Amino acid sequence: EDQVTQSPEALRLQEGESSSLNCSYTVSGLRGLFWYRQDPGKGPEFLFTLYSAGEEKEKERLKATLTKKESFLHITAPKPEDSATYLCAVHNMSQQGGSEKLVFGKGTKLTVNP
Amino acid sequence: NAGVMQNPRHLVRRRGQEARLRCSPMKGHSHVYWYRQLPEEGLKFMVYLQKENIIDESGMPKERFSAEFPKEGPSILRIQQVVRGDSAAYFCASSRLRREAFFGQGTRLTVV
Repeated sequence: EDQVTQSPEALRLQEGESSSLNCSYTVSGLRGLFWYRQDPGKGPEFLFTLYSAGEEKEKERLKATLTKKESFLHITAPKPEDSATYLCAVHNMSQQGGSEKLVFGKGTKLTVNP
Repeated sequence: NAGVMQNPRHLVRRRGQEARLRCSPMKGHSHVYWYRQLPEEGLKFMVYLQKENIIDESGMPKERFSAEFPKEGPSILRIQQVVRGDSAAYFCASSRLRREAFFGQGTRLTVV
């Protein structure tokens, strides 16, 4: 069964204090790993898709990387507006019937203090 | 280009009533997904549909829950005879084939 584990569950940073969030996964055949941001009371907002080990993608202060077993979301010099829950999800290419479903981790709740 | 539209945003039902949640996908998207999120829990997959077809319903409870995506109109998630345990946020997402999914703002169902 596909599993996605995110750590830490919660992270508090001071503004400007860089850090990384971890997403470890177990799937029989990874077709894609996705990062989303979710603000309270809102739906998840798409950030990145990573397809193969060694791939990296960047967007403003965020950088996502992928290995064969885990992904990292690096946050450089975060600002208070980066506070949110960051979700990781995987898509298994071996899913029966070609299902496009995603398996999500529980997320990391990031708080950036001014 | 409007995003994924869900309505209502909030829905209150008494135990035993029916809940109907609607989702209009993004323009050009023919794949629709429904997920459920409980407090302090991750998003759990429920069902994946294409126009007039259910592709994967492995996450749907066997009873009381059904979903459809008709040729015309929005996708509907229907919950019959709701119970308190059905209280949750229900999110719809849409995508093109094998592309990233975009989520709506969700419907928060409260069963009283």
